Amino acid sequence: NAGVTQTPKFQVLKTGQSMTLQCAQDMNHNSMYWYRQDPGMGLRLIYYSASEGTTDKGEVPNGYNVSRLNKREFSLRLESAAPSQTSVYFCASSRQGAGNQPQHFGDGTRLSIL
Amino acid sequence: AQTVTQSQPEMSVQEAETVTLSCTYDTSESDYYLFWYKQPPSRQMILVIRQEAYKQQNATENRFSVNFQKAAKSFSLKISDSQLGDAAMYFCAYRSVGTSGTYKYIFGTGTRLKVLA
Repeated sequence: NAGVTQTPKFQVLKTGQSMTLQCAQDMNHNSMYWYRQDPGMGLRLIYYSASEGTTDKGEVPNGYNVSRLNKREFSLRLESAAPSQTSVYFCASSRQGAGNQPQHFGDGTRLSIL
Repeated sequence: AQTVTQSQPEMSVQEAETVTLSCTYDTSESDYYLFWYKQPPSRQMILVIRQEAYKQQNATENRFSVNFQKAAKSFSLKISDSQLGDAAMYFCAYRSVGTSGTYKYIFGTGTRLKVLA
C-alpha cells in the first residue's frame, strides 16, 4: 500500500542547477498538489492539478514548473535553482467529488540549494 | 481569499493531561471542511481529525476531539490523556474549491506540541 511516493528524499544542488522532483500516487486520485514547507510558514501551495493535463498556480509558483504526466504522476521542476528554494517539498493527492476528502501526503523531499 | 491562523507557535503539556490547540479561519463560504494534521519528527503528514462545516456535532477520534464554532470561525483541537507519541507539529487546514474545481487546502503555520514526562 504505497500511497504517495516522492523521489528523491534528499538532494543538494548548486545555485543555477536544474532538478525535477517526482511524485506518484496509486490511489486513483484525480487531484495532486505540490507544497513547500518552511519554518514558521506552514505549508504553502506551489501548484496543483485537478486532472491529467490541467495545472493551476498556487500561492508561491514563481521559479517552478509542473507537469501532470498522467493520472498517477505529477512532477515539479526547478529550472534554475536559487538558495531561496531551499525547503522541504511535499506532494499530496486527494479525491474529487463530494465528501470530506483529506489529502494524502508523500514523505517529503528535503532540498538544499548552495 | 481564505486564511487559517494558528496563534500558538508552541505548546507544552504534561503526560496524561489535556491540551487544546487553537485555530481560526476566515472565509465567506458556507460549506467547507476543516482538518487537523499531525507531523511528527519523521516528517510524515498524518490526518488526525476532520470536520464538516454543515455538521453541528463536534468530531471525535479516540483521544482527539474538536470544538467547532462556526459563527466564531474557530476550530480548536483537544488532546486528552496526552502521550509522549503526541509530540509533533500540528497543522490546521481548510478546504475550499479552487478555480478549476479542484479542492484547495489552506494550512496554518502550525503549533509545535511538546509532551513532558
